Amino acid sequence: KNQVEQSPQSLIILEGKNCTLQCNYTVSPFSNLRWYKQDTGRGPVSLTIMTFSENTKSNGRYTATLDADTKQSSLHITASQLSDSASYICVVSEADSWGKLQFGAGTQVVVTP
Amino acid sequence: DGGITQSPKYLFRKEGQNVTLSCEQNLNHDAMYWYRQDPGQGLRLIYYSQIVNDFQKGDIAEGYSVSREKKESFPLTVTSAQKNPTAFYLCASKTDTHYGYTFGSGTRLTVV
Repeated sequence: KNQVEQSPQSLIILEGKNCTLQCNYTVSPFSNLRWYKQDTGRGPVSLTIMTFSENTKSNGRYTATLDADTKQSSLHITASQLSDSASYICVVSEADSWGKLQFGAGTQVVVTP
Repeated sequence: DGGITQSPKYLFRKEGQNVTLSCEQNLNHDAMYWYRQDPGQGLRLIYYSQIVNDFQKGDIAEGYSVSREKKESFPLTVTSAQKNPTAFYLCASKTDTHYGYTFGSGTRLTVV
């Protein structure tokens, strides 16, 4: 069973609107949680990284939250732009000697004019 | 600029052939990784290397091989033993801390 579950699988939003993506994980012991943006046919690019003690982090119009007690994270996109169309991947790092990554399957976001 | 370069971007292979995917980094990162990405699934770890001349199998190493003769290079060979090699392959590297992962732009391999 995948240790990182993302929802929804995909969503379509109008340009200028906000949206929130969800990530639930069971990875333990936990080190950190990252959100990546992946354009089609490209490698993932890091948006935010949060450790156990952080519960929110922003990067421009992207704001990530983390509740380590419930093992949930969200990524909020504010005032979406056409360039936000991409897959957003939640990645959780295990707290072992080399920080193995567990990847969610991603949420495909399509922003329409 | 520092980064990871994967080549080629697209690769076509006939069944029964071995192919090698290139991954080069100039970030001076010690650790390098190979992941496979299939539609609707999260990235899965194929092989990783934490230092030169040493590498470890990941979750789906069967049918793949790697080498790490130089710090900058971590090539992946997809052998004929890999039953379903068509996928998007991503190389990554990281610093000594847990936070410094960088991904390449990927190679799309198609078996024809």
